[in-house]
Amino acid sequence: KNQVEQSPQSLIILEGKNCTLQCNYTVSPFSNLRWYKQDTGRGPVSLTIMTFSENTKSNGRYTATLDADTKQSSLHITASQLSDSASYICVVRRMDSNYQLIWGAGTKLIIKP
Amino acid sequence: KAGVTQTPRYLIKTRGQQVTLSCSPISGHRSVSWYQQTPGQGLQFLFEYFSETQRNKGNFPGRFSGRQFSNSRSEMNVSTLELGDSALYLCASSPEPQRGELFFGEGSRLTVL
Repeated sequence: KNQVEQSPQSLIILEGKNCTLQCNYTVSPFSNLRWYKQDTGRGPVSLTIMTFSENTKSNGRYTATLDADTKQSSLHITASQLSDSASYICVVRRMDSNYQLIWGAGTKLIIKP
Repeated sequence: KAGVTQTPRYLIKTRGQQVTLSCSPISGHRSVSWYQQTPGQGLQFLFEYFSETQRNKGNFPGRFSGRQFSNSRSEMNVSTLELGDSALYLCASSPEPQRGELFFGEGSRLTVL
């Protein structure tokens, strides 16, 4: 079954600290993996996209990693800021006839001052 | 370049009524997809349109329908509203279907009383 599981469900950290969010997937065949940031009540915004051959990709203080062998991805946030408080969603695209998107339920991150 | 525009942003309806939501994609984008997001749930795919044709449909009842116009603008309609239809409805546009990056609007928050 094609699934994307994210952990933890929620996370609270202090401003300035680092954190890592996890994404495990069982999607096959794999096309690419994206991380989105979604502020409360707003639409998701793409942070990174990674294909099969990419291990690491950075976008400012956000660094995503992908291990296609173990079907795991992580999103590392460095020196967190209050504006990082949001839900982070992992999405995997299948390489099927419809290029179906499989969405994770997201990790809700709260940054406390 | 203007982003994806969704209207209305907020609306309140009562059970049994119907609602129409509108989405204007980014200029030049011809693919529009719709998602439902309820609290604590991942994004649930509703349908995708390209060149006025529905290309994919999620597992939603027939009360949920949509269409796309020749200018790529899209509408979705929900008839005979139920309490469980209360959600954030998100529209995303992409240059082409299935493969391109998704750009989301701010969403339409529907409350059914």
